[in-house]
Amino acid sequence: ETGVTQSPTHLIKTRGQQVTLRCSSQSGHNTVSWYQQALGQGPQFIFQYYREEENGRGNFPPRFSGLQFPNYSSELNVNALELDDSALYLCASSGLYGRSTDTQYFGPGTRLTVL
Amino acid sequence: GESVGLHLPTLSVQEGDNSIINCAYSNSASDYFIWYKQESGKGPQFIIDIRSNMDKRQGQRVTVLLNKTVKHLSLQIAATQPGDSAVYFCAENTGGGGADGLTFGKGTHLIIQP
Repeated sequence: ETGVTQSPTHLIKTRGQQVTLRCSSQSGHNTVSWYQQALGQGPQFIFQYYREEENGRGNFPPRFSGLQFPNYSSELNVNALELDDSALYLCASSGLYGRSTDTQYFGPGTRLTVL
Repeated sequence: GESVGLHLPTLSVQEGDNSIINCAYSNSASDYFIWYKQESGKGPQFIIDIRSNMDKRQGQRVTVLLNKTVKHLSLQIAATQPGDSAVYFCAENTGGGGADGLTFGKGTHLIIQP
């Protein structure tokens, strides 16, 4: 177990709705990264938060947004849900310095289904 | 665009044999590579990593080899066990000043035959 937790485990939404996913990082880690994993694919980087600020972003539209809190937990928000947003959303926590070479430890993920 | 990829989508090995999973990368700026194991319904689990200033690194029953000349990465698992059945991903990071995130390949499904 990595110590990274995510909630909820599963979620079903309809097109156009909004969703908030949550992540608690491993003790001692202050960096959180979010990934989207479509069925049968590798995870794709959405963005990273370091010390409560966005520290880098992948190729995802602005309707994907996030927050990091003073205790380093994080939220991923997705607005105007589309069918293609159905995926496993993974949170990973790492290091103390927000470096891209810090080892990332993943949580179990949240399975989002958009109908 | 540049991406990390894997040669084979499925690898079937006999229990007790050694497994070798391969990965090709194309981003010459990549200087940090990681292997993850993902079991069904779970998040990726860190196995081993290697930085570009090394060509080999060993862990418990696993060895990662890096050949920067041909941009190739491999994961060797010794004495494969039923619990090794999973999808294995290689991932890379450029290690640049910004947070680019990890770039993952599509994965290799390792199947252990009894």
